[in-house]
Amino acid sequence: GQNIDQPTEMTATEGAIVQINCTYQTSGFNGLFWYQQHAGEAPTFLSYNVLDGLEEKGRFSSFLSRSKGYSYLLLKELQMKDSASYLCAVMDSNYQLIWGAGTKLIIKP
Amino acid sequence: GAVVSQHPSWVICKSGTSVKIECRSLDFQATTMFWYRQFPKQSLMLMATSNEGSKATYEQGVEKDKFLINHASLTLSTLTVTSAHPEDSSFYICSAREGSGDTDTQYFGPGTRLTVL
Repeated sequence: GQNIDQPTEMTATEGAIVQINCTYQTSGFNGLFWYQQHAGEAPTFLSYNVLDGLEEKGRFSSFLSRSKGYSYLLLKELQMKDSASYLCAVMDSNYQLIWGAGTKLIIKP
Repeated sequence: GAVVSQHPSWVICKSGTSVKIECRSLDFQATTMFWYRQFPKQSLMLMATSNEGSKATYEQGVEKDKFLINHASLTLSTLTVTSAHPEDSSFYICSAREGSGDTDTQYFGPGTRLTVL
């Protein structure tokens, strides 16, 4: 079956760096998305990776290794507003989105 | 974990016809369901929020007469795109929330790809 795994919850300190991992097993691969979702709000697009490597976008970076079925989202210089859930989603060979359960990130002062 | 399904996965229709998309929560009761539209590689745009047994709340700019939402039971919500036009071609995603608080987890469906010819 198809599966996406990411940690349920992580805690980090303001100003620090945190890495949220996502591993996947899907039938085919047409890209991996990371979304940020604050409670009660719609998810916000963070990144899309379809080729191996690291993509940097400001304080956020996303890495993909297709051979390992692995991605991570790296958040630098953490701010309190980064407290949110982070969703990993993979688009399979049928262009269907397979969603992870989300990682709740708690930032402490 | 909780599972949300959508049917159909793909639909191709002619301009002017109506298309119904179903969203089901398979192993939990969803008090609230959300309908999103995803543009290629971009954010999910919230279209509307539906609560079981009541009228959907549409986001600004979303035509309620064009995108009909029915949340008839705690496990099923439907989105009907009426008189579809090519510009309605998109990837429609639903999500379902168990519980009633803002902090409750949303579970997302796999999406329905609509192509209007």
